[in-house]
Amino acid sequence: SAVISQKPSRDICQRGTSLTIQCQVDSQVTMMFWYRQQPGQSLTLIATANQGSEATYESGFVIDKFPISRPNLTFSTLTVSNMSPEDSSIYLCSVAQGQGNQPQHFGDGTRLSIL
Amino acid sequence: QQQVKQSPQSLIVQKGGISIINCAYENTAFDYFPWYQQFPGKGPALLIAIRPDVSEKKEGRFTISFNKSAKQFSLHIMDSQPGDSATYFCAASKGGNQFYFGTGTSLTVIP
Repeated sequence: SAVISQKPSRDICQRGTSLTIQCQVDSQVTMMFWYRQQPGQSLTLIATANQGSEATYESGFVIDKFPISRPNLTFSTLTVSNMSPEDSSIYLCSVAQGQGNQPQHFGDGTRLSIL
Repeated sequence: QQQVKQSPQSLIVQKGGISIINCAYENTAFDYFPWYQQFPGKGPALLIAIRPDVSEKKEGRFTISFNKSAKQFSLHIMDSQPGDSATYFCAASKGGNQFYFGTGTSLTVIP
């Protein structure tokens, strides 16, 4: 399966600032996704990153707070804007080949703490 | 509303024993059911997956049992080893790419 690299692996940020997380895949993939996983909890889909068009956001997540880019088939970024302590979480990138019930493979995540 | 309900929240098993984790769902449109294994500090890794046209799938020591009528599926880990100690997530998908994850089970296998 594809090798997925996320940067940074962890960060500690001040409230009110923004952080951009990068997801790089070693091969072209059809689908890329961003998830949030709060400590000890399940995974929640933030959005599907669409190549060359606006991301598709899930209920409860908005573009102003979580802008996403996907300039090509191997790279995506997620920005967490105007951060507050409630944004402290693990942010995970996942990828899938093809559409419809394809296995998703995850990066190791970015552990974000907001002071 | 939790689309996929997972139990137990935590599980302690002796080495060599069988670990069983259960999941239940309501949406009959779900047609893909993967299980993920997550170690601390790592992302979830796909372990095994099943589609509803079969009742069981086995890969090595890991088996998924699927009961379509009861809308339940479970993961069985045979001959559990300390290296299996991790958090396990079930998930379900309905023909698209949105996965609904269970709440996770923390498995500890004691020597």
